[in-house]
Amino acid sequence: DAGVIQSPRHEVTEMGQEVTLRCKPISGHDYLFWYRQTMMRGLELLIYFNNNVPIDDSGMPEDRFSAKMPNASFSTLKIQPSEPRDSAVYFCASSDGGASTEAFFGQGTRLTVV
Amino acid sequence: SQQGEEDPQALSIQEGENATMNCSYKTSINNLQWYRQNSGRGLVHLILIRSNEREKHSGRLRVTLDTSKKSSSLLITASRAADTASYFCATDDQYSGGYQKVTFGTGTKLQVIP
Repeated sequence: DAGVIQSPRHEVTEMGQEVTLRCKPISGHDYLFWYRQTMMRGLELLIYFNNNVPIDDSGMPEDRFSAKMPNASFSTLKIQPSEPRDSAVYFCASSDGGASTEAFFGQGTRLTVV
Repeated sequence: SQQGEEDPQALSIQEGENATMNCSYKTSINNLQWYRQNSGRGLVHLILIRSNEREKHSGRLRVTLDTSKKSSSLLITASRAADTASYFCATDDQYSGGYQKVTFGTGTKLQVIP
């Protein structure tokens, strides 16, 4: 397996634009996590899915953020409209046992909102 | 909010020396994990230790867990330049009603000087 695949690797967008980040988890993994990493706040869990169902989205900062998992092999994180403070590295991770097993991380998407 | 806090925030050692970093957390856990992050990359799982374990080894890594003090330590023996990275502890939340939520600490930045 190629591991968790995220796209794009880098995204630069203007304030107010819609941004969509994509993630393909490892085949067979039933948990998918979206994290955001910044210098100020570290690594924050935004939302996670189990069997394509959102379980906990309490980390999503506000209504501008939304995440979907239409099937077991694809998830998106959308920001609409984007703001400069959304600039961060966004990671997707998957696992086959939630918190009791290791999570496999993608390479991340570095988002810059200008 | 972050559950774990690593100490020290930064550590610089000579190649061949041992590196020790600590993690303190706030609530009871089922297990604790350590991850490594190389600059600009995703996180890579190193080791998982369960709440009923006190010590675990993996190659040059030794992890201890003291649940009474809510703390863990990661020891890297005979460090190499390639060990230069940030190291994070990650904990689950035992009383989150069956959640599989994992939160990460603030990280220790390790520099190994050749």
